[in-house]
Amino acid sequence: GAGVSQSPSNKVTEKGKDVELRCDPISGHTALYWYRQRLGQGLEFLIYFQGNSAPDKSGLPSDRFSAERTGESVSTLTIQRTQQEDSAVYLCASSLSSGTGYLFFGEGSRLTVL
Amino acid sequence: GESVGLHLPTLSVQEGDNSIINCAYSNSASDYFIWYKQESGKGPQFIIDIRSNMDKRQGQRVTVLLNKTVKHLSLQIAATQPGDSAVYFCAETPNQAGTALIFGKGTTLSVSS
Repeated sequence: GAGVSQSPSNKVTEKGKDVELRCDPISGHTALYWYRQRLGQGLEFLIYFQGNSAPDKSGLPSDRFSAERTGESVSTLTIQRTQQEDSAVYLCASSLSSGTGYLFFGEGSRLTVL
Repeated sequence: GESVGLHLPTLSVQEGDNSIINCAYSNSASDYFIWYKQESGKGPQFIIDIRSNMDKRQGQRVTVLLNKTVKHLSLQIAATQPGDSAVYFCAETPNQAGTALIFGKGTTLSVSS
């Protein structure tokens, strides 16, 4: 597609349930990022994939959070046993390579945990 | 710890004025800085970047200034327009290839006609 695509755009779930958020990066982009943005806040780094290198998971807030990426395409962010504090917009971005700050962001998946 | 932050959470200007948005960073090893604009309900968009071997870089109506001595970054927007209303974030990368961008908290720019 023309841009980074994220789904679902909105997700409402109950506390304790698992959720999966999907990101389709721009074709040919080797780097993929996940960020979390709480209401009125900045972007909190979660995880970063670059090609076949081991992902940088240093931003994942707990072991309830995990992410996978299939080759240089789709990525899935999974949150297990969701908590109310997980409510946020989860933003995915891709870039042609590492070492560039020119990230292309999707419009995010808004997660609400009741 | 390492952080990227902004001096002011909000900035209100009149259409046609010049806007200056500031950012302070604490990691002296950072060598690459970027400004992003985020409109309501959308993902951030790249505006302009600057590397640490430069003090100033200009784009279309925007200028980024970097003062490494005091670890300060600013974004200047000339002839601000209502369409410039958004949240502006500065971001940095530490001096390592393949490291993710770290974003500051953001400044909300409001432009009135």
